[in-house]
Amino acid sequence: DGGITQSPKYLFRKEGQNVTLSCEQNLNHDAMYWYRQDPGQGLRLIYYSQIVNDFQKGDIAEGYSVSREKKESFPLTVTSAQKNPTAFYLCASSLWEPGVEADTQYFGPGTRLTVL
Amino acid sequence: AQSVTQLGSHVSVSEGALVLLRCNYSSSVPPYLFWYVQYPNQGLQLLLKYTSAATLVKGINGFEAEFKKSETSFHLTKPSAHMRDAAEYFCAAGGATNKLIFGTGTLLAVQP
Repeated sequence: DGGITQSPKYLFRKEGQNVTLSCEQNLNHDAMYWYRQDPGQGLRLIYYSQIVNDFQKGDIAEGYSVSREKKESFPLTVTSAQKNPTAFYLCASSLWEPGVEADTQYFGPGTRLTVL
Repeated sequence: AQSVTQLGSHVSVSEGALVLLRCNYSSSVPPYLFWYVQYPNQGLQLLLKYTSAATLVKGINGFEAEFKKSETSFHLTKPSAHMRDAAEYFCAAGGATNKLIFGTGTLLAVQP
């Protein structure tokens, strides 16, 4: 089945530790995205990547880092510099056709990160 | 800057009643508009998408939305609510850059 997988589902971290969230897709999509979701705030874009080996900051990139070494994978690292990392993190992917209509983003099941 | 406003963070309806979830966008050009649904502790699932082909868009699970340029609105409706419709609903707007701007969400409760 085609889709997006995120692991782990739940993650606990001590303050001061970096942690990496996994996101893999087998939809052959060019673009991938990371969002953070907090109650009452909707989804906020952290980073996005339209092509392998390239990525751009979103609206709340501080304290986060990403890599895009393979088309299928877009891991997110939450660093110790992120002041309030406890949140629900969602990965998404889409086709990428510059100048054409906005393509539908398909979402993974999410990872809930809790900092202890 | 583009923005999306969802009026009403919580909406409660009785089973069988009309569902109306409101979404307004702010954009100098009509954007591409989406409605997503999220069940607890899950990712977002696409309900429907507006791409200018038709102003009335039909989606999954009996939902539909009407694009009204004069009102800059894209409200989501369903004629008869079912218990399984209880979830959080997000409106989003995007352009040719593929970046989506999300509203803050509306939590729909369905009372028996």
